[in-house]
Amino acid sequence: AQRVTQPEKLLSVFKGAPVELKCNYSYSGSPELFWYVQYSRQRLQLLLRHISRESIKGFTADLNKGETSFHLKKPFAQEEDSAMYYCALSGPMIKAAGNKLTFGGGTRVLVKP
Amino acid sequence: KAGVTQTPRYLIKTRGQQVTLSCSPISGHRSVSWYQQTPGQGLQFLFEYFSETQRNKGNFPGRFSGRQFSNSRSEMNVSTLELGDSALYLCASSRPTGGSEQFFGPGTRLTVL
Repeated sequence: AQRVTQPEKLLSVFKGAPVELKCNYSYSGSPELFWYVQYSRQRLQLLLRHISRESIKGFTADLNKGETSFHLKKPFAQEEDSAMYYCALSGPMIKAAGNKLTFGGGTRVLVKP
Repeated sequence: KAGVTQTPRYLIKTRGQQVTLSCSPISGHRSVSWYQQTPGQGLQFLFEYFSETQRNKGNFPGRFSGRQFSNSRSEMNVSTLELGDSALYLCASSRPTGGSEQFFGPGTRLTVL
């Protein structure tokens, strides 16, 4: 069975401090990994995905297949980063796999001034 | 490009009733997925439709059903409502290839009394 675990429900950091959100997963095969974010009063939206290997809003995430982890990091947190963050996985990028996302429980990030 | 729309935004029903929620995907997106979001269980996948066929299904009882029309619009139905069905129901649309980015709607808040 596929599973995503985010051990921290809440992360509180000061502005300018580094922030790291942990994500571990279990999946038989090669999943696609994502980080979705939900800002206050906004829709759930994609922040980044492992296949793109790019930095979005200063966030990066590295897929570690050996440790089955996909932690999200930002070296200097900003107040506008305060939001709910969800790690998610889906099956491989083939049409037959479809688009079923399995989400972690989410981590609320609070960046204090 | 217009985003995913969901109607109605809020619903109040009583136990035993049934409810139908509607979702209009982004133009050109033929895959529509449904998720249930609750404080206790988080975000859980209900089902995915592509080309009017259910392609993936989550672990929900048969009271939860859905369908997709030829214009890719989708509906989900919950029969014999229970108190535990109170939740935010999210719809997401995406390209048909597995592992695609999903674009979420604002959700329908269902309250069962």
